[in-house]
Amino acid sequence: GNSVTQMEGPVTLSEEAFLTINCTYTATGYPSLFWYVQYPGEGLQLLLKATKADDKGSNKGFEATYRKETTSFHLEKGSVQVSDSAVYFCALNSGNTPLVFGKGTRLSVIA
Amino acid sequence: DVKVTQSSRYLVKRTGEKVFLECVQDMDHENMFWYRQDPGLGLRLIYFSYDVKMKEKGDIPEGYSVSREKKERFSLILESASTNQTSMYLCASSYDRFTNEKLFFGSGTQLSVL
Repeated sequence: GNSVTQMEGPVTLSEEAFLTINCTYTATGYPSLFWYVQYPGEGLQLLLKATKADDKGSNKGFEATYRKETTSFHLEKGSVQVSDSAVYFCALNSGNTPLVFGKGTRLSVIA
Repeated sequence: DVKVTQSSRYLVKRTGEKVFLECVQDMDHENMFWYRQDPGLGLRLIYFSYDVKMKEKGDIPEGYSVSREKKERFSLILESASTNQTSMYLCASSYDRFTNEKLFFGSGTQLSVL
């Protein structure tokens, strides 16, 4: 079946540090890949997505590249801010099935 | 903007009670979902629905049921609440089965069963 594995947190960084959150997946067919973000006290919201191999999704300074050869979709940001503190979820969708989410990675950015 | 509204932000119930969690979306979405979110376990799908009066089991349906009598409303029912159902419950919706990639989430209901 489809599954997503992402690095365990929590991750604590200083402001302006470089961020990487690893995500790998197992899927049948050709999945679409997503990163969702959950800010404190809120539901999840879509951060970025990529629908085919070598696509790069980007939004709000975050980027992730769909790597079919390594079955990965790592999230990166060059310079994090305190406002990026949140829980980040990697997810995939294959065919017409519901999204499958990873367990989430909590990021704390300190000033 | 799409709005997904969950009826309660916090709920405290006793073991054995019947519990209703309500979710309403205002964008005519066909798909609706119920997840629970637990520390260390992430999001797990309980039930989902692709149309009115339709329902499909997710990964952890035991102890839950759902109702979708109207397109905009999707209710999660705990027939007899137990302490292991203490959790954050998240409702989500998406446009249709073939573009179900972008989910819109409610803010969640934190349920405590004592």
